[in-house]
Amino acid sequence: DAGVIQSPRHEVTEMGQEVTLRCKPISGHNSLFWYRQTMMRGLELLIYFNNNVPIDDSGMPEDRFSAKMPNASFSTLKIQPSEPRDSAVYFCASLGLDGYTFGSGTRLTVV
Amino acid sequence: GIQVEQSPPDLILQEGANSTLRCNFSDSVNNLQWFHQNPWGQLINLFYIPSGTKQNGRLSATTVATERYSLLYISSSQTTDSGVYFCAASQDSNYQLIWGAGTKLIIKP
Repeated sequence: DAGVIQSPRHEVTEMGQEVTLRCKPISGHNSLFWYRQTMMRGLELLIYFNNNVPIDDSGMPEDRFSAKMPNASFSTLKIQPSEPRDSAVYFCASLGLDGYTFGSGTRLTVV
Repeated sequence: GIQVEQSPPDLILQEGANSTLRCNFSDSVNNLQWFHQNPWGQLINLFYIPSGTKQNGRLSATTVATERYSLLYISSSQTTDSGVYFCAASQDSNYQLIWGAGTKLIIKP
């Protein structure tokens, strides 16, 4: 199994631009999570999907953030418009019988 | 909700040394995991261990659920073991992982 696959690995964008992060969970895992990690706040849960349905999006910081899971093998996290304070590492994780598996993350820098 | 506490916060060792990292949790859990975040930022799942003992090479972990703690053992440390080790747990009917603050491990050559 290739694990949880995220793309891109790095993203540098200008303030105001739209950013889309992508995630492919492990096949057979029914739950998918988006996390954000910063030095100041550590790991924060942004949103959780179960069977492709958003269950809890209370961690999404504001309306500029949106997430979708159109099918069991793909999810996106979109930021529009992006701001410098969105700079962070964004992780996707899926949950199976052996617990959570995290992707390699996307390091986002908004200048 | 549960609280997860890790100790020590920092650990500096010479290559070849052994170490024990501790994770205390305040209530019963149905999921407990140890992760290693390496210097490149990757979060690697080391063990899924809500109870019992597991071993994987130089690493092993033990969770005593009745006493609400888990231990991660690293033997014969290598410089590639450096990074931050996180313990995270969740409870029944609660998907959300509660994270410890981590133990920052530095292995010197």
